[in-house]
Amino acid sequence: DAGITQSPRHKVTETGTPVTLRCHQTENHRYMYWYRQDPGHGLRLIHYSYGVKDTDKGEVSDGYSVSRSKTEDFLLTLESATSSQTSVYFCAISESGSYGDTQYFGPGTRLTVL
Amino acid sequence: AQKITQTQPGMFVQEKEAVTLDCTYDTSDPSYGLFWYKQPSSGEMIFLIYQGSYDQQNATEGRYSLNFQKARKSANLVISASQLGDSAMYFCAMREDTGRRALTFGSGTRLQVQP
Repeated sequence: DAGITQSPRHKVTETGTPVTLRCHQTENHRYMYWYRQDPGHGLRLIHYSYGVKDTDKGEVSDGYSVSRSKTEDFLLTLESATSSQTSVYFCAISESGSYGDTQYFGPGTRLTVL
Repeated sequence: AQKITQTQPGMFVQEKEAVTLDCTYDTSDPSYGLFWYKQPSSGEMIFLIYQGSYDQQNATEGRYSLNFQKARKSANLVISASQLGDSAMYFCAMREDTGRRALTFGSGTRLQVQP
């Protein structure tokens, strides 16, 4: 158990509203990631963080922003939600060990934008 | 750019038999990691097995083994003695060993184990 929680776990919102998803970890991992999962695709990287206040874009970052003001929290914000952002969002941490840098995932947040 | 290809959208296997899930990858990096994750119907992503690009031996974790053929750029997952609880989506992924260390995922294979 990598100690990752996500909140909320489910959310329904309307087009045009802002939405913030939270990822919280308890083990002081430096690297954190946000992915989205859509039918027919594996997970795709939205944004990642390599330290407090250090973030960068992934492949599908349009329409999303992130912030990391504390090691344990990584926030994903949809500034103005659209129906195309209906998806399952996974947060992950990267943990160094015998498997190199293995990523462990939170339980996911199911977001529906109406 | 890295790419992962899983060509089997769905697979069936009889309980207690072995099954191989295919994964091919493409990268120009000499150093990388290959992973398999399981996603049951409950939705969580469960790490199964890891293979480093410089590892000489194929990785094994219990009933899971990774058939790593570097020259062919393949990293197939073998599940021995399938169990009903193995029914799930399985994702192959590759990690960059530099920079952001993010994962690139394949589109997944849905495995159904039949009694």
